[in-house]
Amino acid sequence: ETGVTQTPRHLVMGMTNKKSLKCEQHLGHNAMYWYKQSAKKPLELMFVYSLEERVENNSVPSRFSPECPNSSHLFLHLHTLQPEDSALYLCASRKARAGGADTQYFGPGTRLTVL
Amino acid sequence: AQSVTQLGSHVSVSEGALVLLRCNYSSSVPPYLFWYVQYPNQGLQLLLKYTTGATLVKGINGFEAEFKKSETSFHLTKPSAHMSDAAEYFCAVSVGTGGFKTIFGAGTRLFVKA
Repeated sequence: ETGVTQTPRHLVMGMTNKKSLKCEQHLGHNAMYWYKQSAKKPLELMFVYSLEERVENNSVPSRFSPECPNSSHLFLHLHTLQPEDSALYLCASRKARAGGADTQYFGPGTRLTVL
Repeated sequence: AQSVTQLGSHVSVSEGALVLLRCNYSSSVPPYLFWYVQYPNQGLQLLLKYTTGATLVKGINGFEAEFKKSETSFHLTKPSAHMSDAAEYFCAVSVGTGGFKTIFGAGTRLFVKA
């Protein structure tokens, strides 16, 4: 499935850097997600946007800042990260309808390493 | 509150053997249940899902799962494992108004021995 793309695929940054992750979906979906996947931990939902409005924010530290300028694009802005933020960051999208039965489509992820 | 428990973080089977990955859920409302697979260096992709209707759900690559309400289970099976099935498998339940939130299990890594 190539409907959801993420760039960059790999990112190494220092704790004082500012960087951004980008996600783009070509599926006509109207809801987009950021997840954090760390080793030996369940997938953690970070942010949900539906119709470009944030509907869920799972108490994520302010050093992570999402942006959804339109229904096809989602960004995650990063600043002053900590080494424990090193993880695979996954973007997903879905056609959100009442009921929750719709499948989420995932991008390949950005492997982030914070030095 | 909804939750998902996957029994066994690692499962190892021989090629050609039965694959059984266990998932139990907790939900106060009728759940929508999913199995996703993640191959190395890739995102998750849907294997199958249960919404309503038939409790035995067939998915891609020969996998199937059965929704058992009385046991609150949604175990994933495949009659004969193939080397290409080696991956990590995630059980998930969709919750919340509009179903925006999906709760994922911790994952089970499947190893297939030749």
